[in-house]
Amino acid sequence: ETGVTQTPRHLVMGMTNKKSLKCEQHLGHNAMYWYKQSAKKPLELMFVYNFKEQTENNSVPSRFSPECPNSSHLFLHLHTLQPEDSALYLCASSQVRRDEKLFFGSGTQLSVL
Amino acid sequence: DAKTTQPPSMDCAEGRAANLPCNHSTISGNEYVYWYRQIHSQGPQYIIHGLKNNETNEMASLIITEDRKSSTLILPHATLRDTAVYYCIEKPEAGTASKLTFGTGTRLQVTL
Repeated sequence: ETGVTQTPRHLVMGMTNKKSLKCEQHLGHNAMYWYKQSAKKPLELMFVYNFKEQTENNSVPSRFSPECPNSSHLFLHLHTLQPEDSALYLCASSQVRRDEKLFFGSGTQLSVL
Repeated sequence: DAKTTQPPSMDCAEGRAANLPCNHSTISGNEYVYWYRQIHSQGPQYIIHGLKNNETNEMASLIITEDRKSSTLILPHATLRDTAVYYCIEKPEAGTASKLTFGTGTRLQVTL
């Protein structure tokens, strides 16, 4: 148990569906992240939120829309996805400091049909 | 792109020490070396980090060369549960949230 909870654990959706991924951290951290991990590829940073403000958007297509209502919750809203968006989506949190560590959730395995 | 270089795979017998190398020849003075691991289909897990000195915790030891251009992660008594992909990452001193770049890492296979 890392203190970062992601739901759902698995998600199958069609290309016309709208769905949301949820992440909640119970660690009192002030930064949250979305990463994407496609099969056989390294983790790719998608978004960074620092004190609820988005500080990084790593050229992510607009069909992925993040939301950070408070420092404990992070959402990733999905719409009109493509089959190539099928991947493991990982949420992480950290306390911003000189030697901070990232704590990851278990991820949502997304399949787009 | 990741700035560190790691061998793509390694094997280790259970109970023996696993020594995982990492080259970070362009590391700057204020960058830490971090190690994470990822067990299949799970999120990465923090292992250890260091700046200049060798470090040890309950999971592993980290040996950093004097010139800081390379380091070695040591799992003193590897078990089957240590089978995972191990990532070596450079991270600057934080003032804002981290933007870690994960490379392809080293896939460690621990065998009986």
